[in-house]
Formats: sequence, structure tokens, C-alpha cells
Amino acid sequence: DAKTTQPTSMDCAEGRAANLPCNHSTISGNEYVYWYRQIHSQGPQYIIHGLKNNETNEMASLIITEDRKSSTLILPHATLRDTAVYYCIVSKRSSGNTGKLIFGQGTTLQVKP
Amino acid sequence: GAGVSQSPSNKVTEKGKDVELRCDPISGHTALYWYRQSLGQGLEFLIYFQGNSAPDKSGLPSDRFSAERTGGSVSTLTIQRTQQEDSAVYLCASSSPGLGLFFGSGTQLSVL
Repeated sequence: DAKTTQPTSMDCAEGRAANLPCNHSTISGNEYVYWYRQIHSQGPQYIIHGLKNNETNEMASLIITEDRKSSTLILPHATLRDTAVYYCIVSKRSSGNTGKLIFGQGTTLQVKP
Repeated sequence: GAGVSQSPSNKVTEKGKDVELRCDPISGHTALYWYRQSLGQGLEFLIYFQGNSAPDKSGLPSDRFSAERTGGSVSTLTIQRTQQEDSAVYLCASSSPGLGLFFGSGTQLSVL
């Protein structure tokens, strides 16, 4: 699976949009981009995933560049409860793949009042 | 239950003792994963089950670690002769095709 690069930490003001970048320049054509977050003392929580097109759900939006070498997770109106470590992961979803995800160090997002 | 359930939530044991950690996946989820997370560290993959078989055990740190899954449901992770470096949060996740991984709250293992 392709490697991802994320900033170690970011701050965001409460109520503002949080934009979390991720580089995955070696991504291959059948690899998806997944985002998870881990709030302190809890298990990771699935946020969103995508292949080529931008995706949106009730939690966030995922913007993937046309060349697929980078993506941005957008939390449109960050709240204090969004303070967490955010993981960007690239993984295949083919039938021959185990589906395991390799977690890096992620980005620690601190939402401030 | 609605989510992945793990028990116990906390386990304190003495060095050299064996421990068993249990995971109840979401009903109907065919895939089950074990990860661990040491203090201040990222998640480390341990083992993956599809049904009752484990096609990927590549993350198990040593032969003291083993896991089984029965009935395509409950899984048990066993650590024999525990060492202090085994202290960590052990996380279980389940999934079905097309879905992401859904994690439990983990078992905090402390080896004294």
C-alpha cells in the first residue's frame, strides 16, 4: 500500500473549517484514500473514503486532486469535539486484499475556542 | 450489540502470566482485525481473520501471541508469558465488504 505524509499537528478555531492535507504521491490506480480519526482514549472512527471523485457525508468532505497524489479532508464547522488524531490511509479494496489498514502517525488537530 | 465489543476494558497482570482478550464483532461482519497501540504510538496491525481463518498473521510480534475466531464471530487474542513491553491498548475491528473498519474501545493491558 502506498505511503502517506501528513503534517504532525494543526490548529483550528472553533466554528471554522478544518482542512487536513495528505500526500500520497505513490498511490496506484486501485487504491482508495481512507480517513479515520481517534479521539483520546477511544478506538479509531471511520470518517470517509474515496477513489477518484470528491466525496461528502454527514461528517466531512474529501477532496482528491485530479492526479490523485494528494487529498484534503474538510470538517466544515469544527467543534471542540473534533479535537483528535486524524489518519489518512491508502489501501486497496480488491477481493484479494485483506483490507487491513496501515496507520501512520496522523495529524493531531486541536480545535480551539 | 450495535458496535464492536471488547472485554475486559482493563486488565492488569503480572509478568509471566497468560492473558486472554475477547472481541465481539458487529453481527454479520465477516472480517475481524486485531491492532495494538502503545502509549503515544500509532496503531500496529497484529492479525486479520476472514471468517474463522487467519490469512494474515504478519503483525503478531512473537510466538507468545496467538488468536482464534470461532463461528465466524467472537475472537480471542491470547498472550502467553506476558512481558512488560506487551503493555498497550489492544483494539479489535470488524468489517464487511465495501465497508470501513469499525473499532471497539479496546482493552488496556498493563503488565507489572
